[in-house]
Amino acid sequence: NAGVTQTPKFQVLKTGQSMTLQCAQDMNHEYMSWYRQDPGMGLRLIHYSVGAGITDQGEVPNGYNVSRSTTEDFPLRLLSAAPSQTSVYFCASKRGGTDTQYFGPGTRLTVL
Amino acid sequence: GNSVTQMEGPVTLSEEAFLTINCTYTATGYPSLFWYVQYPGEGLQLLLKATKADDKGSNKGFEATYRKETTSFHLEKGSVQVSDSAVYFCALWDAGGTSYGKLTFGQGTILTVHP
Repeated sequence: NAGVTQTPKFQVLKTGQSMTLQCAQDMNHEYMSWYRQDPGMGLRLIHYSVGAGITDQGEVPNGYNVSRSTTEDFPLRLLSAAPSQTSVYFCASKRGGTDTQYFGPGTRLTVL
Repeated sequence: GNSVTQMEGPVTLSEEAFLTINCTYTATGYPSLFWYVQYPGEGLQLLLKATKADDKGSNKGFEATYRKETTSFHLEKGSVQVSDSAVYFCALWDAGGTSYGKLTFGQGTILTVHP
C-alpha cells in the first residue's frame, strides 16, 4: 500500500511552458484534491474530484486544469506556466463520508 | 466562510521546553479539527484530530483539546525534542452537508528546536 504518490518531486519550468503533475492513490478513495502551499498562506485548494469523471474548482483554480478518468489518478495540468505558479503542490485523497485526508509527498515547482 | 488562524512563527525553543502553538477557528457548522505536521522535505502527516467539543486528540506526546466556547484547538507538548522541528498546520474540516466536505488550513507555524 503506497498511499498517495506524486511525480515529479522537483520541476523547473520556463514561463509559458506546460506540464502535468501526476498524482495516484491505491486506497480506492473517492475524493482527491490538489493544494498549493505558499509561505505564510497555508494550503489552498486548487481543484478537487469526488469520483471518476467528476471535478470541480477550489479556491484558486485559475491557470490549472484537472481530469479524473480513473479512481486512482488525478493529474494537474499547467497549460502555460507563470512565475506566480511557483509553489509546492500537494495531492490528497480520502474516503467519502470521512474527515481525514492523506497527503502525498509534494512537488516543488519553480517557474522562471 | 470558515477560517483558521494560527499564532505567528517562527517558534524557537530549546530541547525539553514546553510548547504551545495557538489555533483559533471560525466555522458555521460543527467542524472536525486537525493538526498536521510537515517535516523538512516531506509531505503533510496527520498528527492528531478531534471531532467534537471537549474531545482531546493526542499523539507522540502532543495533545490538543477542542474548545467550542473559545473556538480554539491549541497544540501542546510538555517536552519538545530536536526531532519535533517541523511546520505545524491547524486545519478545520466542515462537512457542509456533503460527503466530502472542505478542509481549511491555517497559515502554518515553523517550529525549530535547538539541542
